Amino acid sequence: DIQMTQSPSSLSASVGDRVTITCQASQDISNYLNWYQQKPGKAPKLLIYDASNLETGVPSRFSGSGSGTDFTFTISSLQPEDIATYYCQQYDNLPPTFGQGTKLEIK
Amino acid sequence: QVQLVESGGGVVQPGRSLRLSCAASGFTFSSYGMHWVRQAPGKGLEWVAVISYDGSNKYYADSVKGRFTISRDNSKNTLYLQMNSLRAEDTAVYYCAKGRSMVRGVIIGWIFDYWGQGTLVTVSS
Repeated sequence: DIQMTQSPSSLSASVGDRVTITCQASQDISNYLNWYQQKPGKAPKLLIYDASNLETGVPSRFSGSGSGTDFTFTISSLQPEDIATYYCQQYDNLPPTFGQGTKLEIK
Repeated sequence: QVQLVESGGGVVQPGRSLRLSCAASGFTFSSYGMHWVRQAPGKGLEWVAVISYDGSNKYYADSVKGRFTISRDNSKNTLYLQMNSLRAEDTAVYYCAKGRSMVRGVIIGWIFDYWGQGTLVTVSS
């Protein structure tokens, strides 16, 4: 299975900060990488697909980049409603696998 | 609007069985592959199984292979997960998710674009 390693595991930032999360795949996955947001007690929500494509209706402060093994997820200006855990997911190989998650908190 | 509603969760003893359902609406259910993804309490997400739009292709995580069976009834817009020989480590919230592909003609999409609210399965004696 392809291992997805996210960093950091947790992050504390202030409103308005630029926040960056990285996701590293254990092998080349091209751009088959998605990002999800999960708020406490809720289902995950798709934010970014195929590494850099913003899902319809998702605010433009969210963005993604990368290809191959190294990927980045960015929130350009952190808002209070962005408090959540974020997961990357690869689908280049079966089974699809998720990163361990990054828990984002407000400082 | 797309809606996925899971049901069938509960408390079950180790070794017993349970069947989950996921009722879909707001999209052409028979045109999309569907997935089950689970999340153990306080843990991350784990993909469980997928079924193609017509039921002809199914894939499973190694952790459930031989014990779980995914199926669908396109006439009822419903996805199922039959879980047999349940273990304590199967305790989790189970989500159904719609799969999307950006490539025309692909029978299974691996972008989970809509999720249900989840149903909790607790395996305990």
